[in-house]
Amino acid sequence: AQSVAQPEDQVNVAEGNPLTVKCTYSVSGNPYLFWYVQYPNRGLQFLLKYITGDNLVKGSYGFEAEFNKSQTSFHLKKPSALVSDSALYFCAVRDGWGYQKVTFGTGTKLQVIP
Amino acid sequence: DTAVSQTPKYLVTQMGNDKSIKCEQNLGHDTMYWYKQDSKKFLKIMFSYNNKELIINETVPNRFSPKSPDKAHLNLHINSLELGDSAVYFCASSQDWGWDRGGPNEQFFGPGTRLTVL
Repeated sequence: AQSVAQPEDQVNVAEGNPLTVKCTYSVSGNPYLFWYVQYPNRGLQFLLKYITGDNLVKGSYGFEAEFNKSQTSFHLKKPSALVSDSALYFCAVRDGWGYQKVTFGTGTKLQVIP
Repeated sequence: DTAVSQTPKYLVTQMGNDKSIKCEQNLGHDTMYWYKQDSKKFLKIMFSYNNKELIINETVPNRFSPKSPDKAHLNLHINSLELGDSAVYFCASSQDWGWDRGGPNEQFFGPGTRLTVL
């Protein structure tokens, strides 16, 4: 069975400071990892994914994430937070290839303080 | 141009009624999904269709019945609505490629349908 954990319900960061949103996963095969962002009253939007290759993945809006196999983590990062980054962030994992379901984490609310 | 659209955006109804939510994607994707997001923002997959075939059917009451008339459309019909069905329902689509074309792809989500059962 696959699972993903986002240990923080909320992360607060000052504008201009670096931000990290944590995600750990558990799969039996190879992990395929995704980050999505949800703004209020909107659907989820894709930010970035890790399938294979370089452990540092760059995505939309200046976000990046680092895949760490030994720690089974895929933390989302951004060097300098913007107030407009305030939103709900979801980590997701898919185990293996084929028509496998994607399991989403519980979400982390990011609050960037001006 | 809207990529994944859902109708209606809001649905308010009485317990016991039957209602449908429609979803359409114009991305040419072959896989579509229904998700339920509860009041705590937890997101749980309900169903997935690939080229009109049901491939994922999670533990969902059989009052929920998906239908995919073609690969661009996935509708959700709910019979005998209950209070606990109140949630936001999201449709999504994706196109997975083989390893030579990048592997598993991200999902594109619709704007959601907020269902309130009174």
